[in-house]
Amino acid sequence: AQKITQTQPGMFVQEKEAVTLDCTYDTSDQSYGLFWYKQPSSGEMIFLIYQGSYDEQNATEGRYSLNFQKARKSANLVISASQLGDSAMYFCAMRPTSGTYKYIFGTGTRLKVLA
Amino acid sequence: NAGVMQNPRHLVRRRGQEARLRCSPMKGHSHVYWYRQLPEEGLKFMVYLQKENIIDESGMPKERFSAEFPKEGPSILRIQQVVRGDSAAYFCASSLDRGVNTEAFFGQGTRLTVV
Repeated sequence: AQKITQTQPGMFVQEKEAVTLDCTYDTSDQSYGLFWYKQPSSGEMIFLIYQGSYDEQNATEGRYSLNFQKARKSANLVISASQLGDSAMYFCAMRPTSGTYKYIFGTGTRLKVLA
Repeated sequence: NAGVMQNPRHLVRRRGQEARLRCSPMKGHSHVYWYRQLPEEGLKFMVYLQKENIIDESGMPKERFSAEFPKEGPSILRIQQVVRGDSAAYFCASSLDRGVNTEAFFGQGTRLTVV
């Protein structure tokens, strides 16, 4: 079954420090996409970063990087130099190529950045 | 280029009434997805549509819920005879195509409250 698991319901990090948000996935597909989204308290969903299953290098976008370990089926999000504005809910998502290509989301991790 | 537009942003309905949620995808996008989010929970897939066709409705309750995406006009999620348990945020997303590296763009959501 296609599934995304985020085991950390909540995380705290000190401002300016780095934090890792965990994401593991389950799929038997060879080709798939992995995404991270941010949902601030205002409610909108903001796309952060993408990793393809065939990408050999970890994706990076500014302060965001994705620690992709294919054998372990993990796609952890690393936020460097945390800022107060990073406080939000973070969702990991997968788009498999089997089935209907719908996006599958995890339950999310709520990150709180402390001043 | 306008993003995904959802309206209304907030909708209050009495039990037994009908709720109609609208979603205009990003320009050029023909793939639309509806998700439901309960407070402090993740995004639950409901339905995936591609212009005039329902691709996957595996997450849609069998009764009272329907979705369409006509050739002209927005996608509509319709909930008949609403009950208190339908109170949630409903998000619409759109994508350009079915590629695994294609991110979904989200609307601001419609927050439905059933009183």
